[in-house]
Amino acid sequence: AIQLTQSPSSLSASVGDRVTITCRASQGIGSALAWYQQKSGKAPQLLIYDASSLHSGIPSRFSGSGSGTDFTLTISSLKPEDVATYYCQQFHTYPVTFGQGARLQIK
Amino acid sequence: EAQLVESGGGLVQPGGSLRLSCAASGFTFSDHYMDWVRQAPGKGLEWVGRTRRKVNSYTTEYAASVKGRFTISRDDSKNTLYLQMKSLKTEDTAVYYCARVTTTTTFPLDIWGQGTMVTVSP
Repeated sequence: AIQLTQSPSSLSASVGDRVTITCRASQGIGSALAWYQQKSGKAPQLLIYDASSLHSGIPSRFSGSGSGTDFTLTISSLKPEDVATYYCQQFHTYPVTFGQGARLQIK
Repeated sequence: EAQLVESGGGLVQPGGSLRLSCAASGFTFSDHYMDWVRQAPGKGLEWVGRTRRKVNSYTTEYAASVKGRFTISRDDSKNTLYLQMKSLKTEDTAVYYCARVTTTTTFPLDIWGQGTMVTVSP
C-alpha cells in the first residue's frame, strides 16, 4: 500500500501567519491527492482535490500544490477557525490511504 | 442539500456482527461510488472500502484490515449504503463514516455523514 507521511504532525501558529503542511507519498501518485480538514468532533471536510483544485465553498486562503511524491497544503493567512487536524489522501492506487494527520493550533 | 446519515452503530462483543446503514438524500445516489471510512478513538482516518455504481457492476474494494470480514453493498432504490461487519475485533472500534465519491478524475470524498460509533468490547 502507498504510505503518506505528513509533516509536521502538529504545529502551532499565530493568527495571520502563513502555514504549510507537507505530504510525502511512498511512490508516485501523479496528482491523485486530496486534503481534508477535520474539526474536533466533526466529520472531515474536503478542501483540495486533484492536488491543487479548491473545492466549492472553501476559502481562497487554502491552496494545494505538488505532484508525484511531494505535496503541500498552504493556508495563506491563518484564522482562528482553521484550528483543526488536516489529512491528505491518495486515490492513485487501491487501497486508498490517508496520511497520519497534522494537528494545527493557534498560539 | 446533499446529505448522508449513518445509523446502526452500537456495542457488540468480539466475534459478533453488525450492519451499518447510510441514508442518502439531496443528490442522485445511483450516480456515485460510495466509501466507508473509520476513525478509532483519538486516531486518524482509515479508509475501509468502496462500492462502485450499477454500470460498474457494483464492484467493491476493501482495505486489507477488513477484507473477508466486511461487505459493502447498496440499494439504489432506497438510496442507502450498507456495511455488513462480521467477526468483529476490538480493533474495529471506531466512528464509521460513509462518504460520497465525487465524479472528478481522482475520486475525492466531497460529502460525509456525521458518523456512527461502533464499540467492540467483551
